[in-house]
Amino acid sequence: KAGVTQTPRYLIKTRGQQVTLSCSPISGHRSVSWYQQTPGQGLQFLFEYFSETQRNKGNFPGRFSGRQFSNSRSEMNVSTLELGDSALYLCASSYAGTGGVLREELFFGEGSRLTVL
Amino acid sequence: TQLLEQSPQFLSIQEGENLTVYCNSSSVFSSLQWYRQEPGEGPVLLVTVVTGGEVKKLKRLTFQFGDARKDSSLHITAAQPGDTGLYLCAGGPGNTPLVFGKGTRLSVIA
Repeated sequence: KAGVTQTPRYLIKTRGQQVTLSCSPISGHRSVSWYQQTPGQGLQFLFEYFSETQRNKGNFPGRFSGRQFSNSRSEMNVSTLELGDSALYLCASSYAGTGGVLREELFFGEGSRLTVL
Repeated sequence: TQLLEQSPQFLSIQEGENLTVYCNSSSVFSSLQWYRQEPGEGPVLLVTVVTGGEVKKLKRLTFQFGDARKDSSLHITAAQPGDTGLYLCAGGPGNTPLVFGKGTRLSVIA
C-alpha cells in the first residue's frame, strides 16, 4: 500500500513569510502526528490529529498550527517564519495514535525540508 | 516530560566490526521503540520492546530492554555499509506522543 506522502519535499522561504505543508497518511490511518527535526534538538513533537481534532500539542509557539480533513489528510502551517524554523518537518501516521491501548508503529513520510533565509 | 539520552552521538566504524549503542532514561518506560533513519528518508521502525529484560533479534541486530525498563541497547554484529544511518530510540506511555532521543549517527565504512 502507498506510504505517507508529504509535499512539498523542499522549500525556501524568507523571514516573515508563512508556509503550509501537506501530509497524506496511509489509507485507513486516522492519526497524523507532526514532528520537527533539527540537528541540535532531534525530533520534537508538534501536534497530533485524530478524526479532524487536535488530540495533543507539543511545546511550540502559536505560529505553528495544523488541521486535519475528513479524509485524514493533514496540513500544518507556520506563520511569520523565523530563521530557527529551518528544519525537516516529518509527518507520521498510525491507526489510533495515542488513543490505542498499545504503542503503535509510526509510519513516517520523507519529510518537508524548510529553509528560512 | 520523559527524556531519552542516546550514546554515542556519532560512531564511525569499519565494515565487519561490532558495535553497541545505548538509550537511557531516568524514567520507567512502558515500552520502547528503535527506529532507523537513512539520509533523505523518514524514520522506519526496527523493533518495539515492552518487557523488562526482553531481548529481540533482527538478523544481525540485537535489541535489549533493561530489567528496570529505563534503558535499552542495540548491538550490531559484523556491521555493513547498509547499516549506515541515524538510530533513534523512542518511548513514552501509549496514550502520549512518542518522545525521541537525539539519535546515534552511525557510519560504516567499506
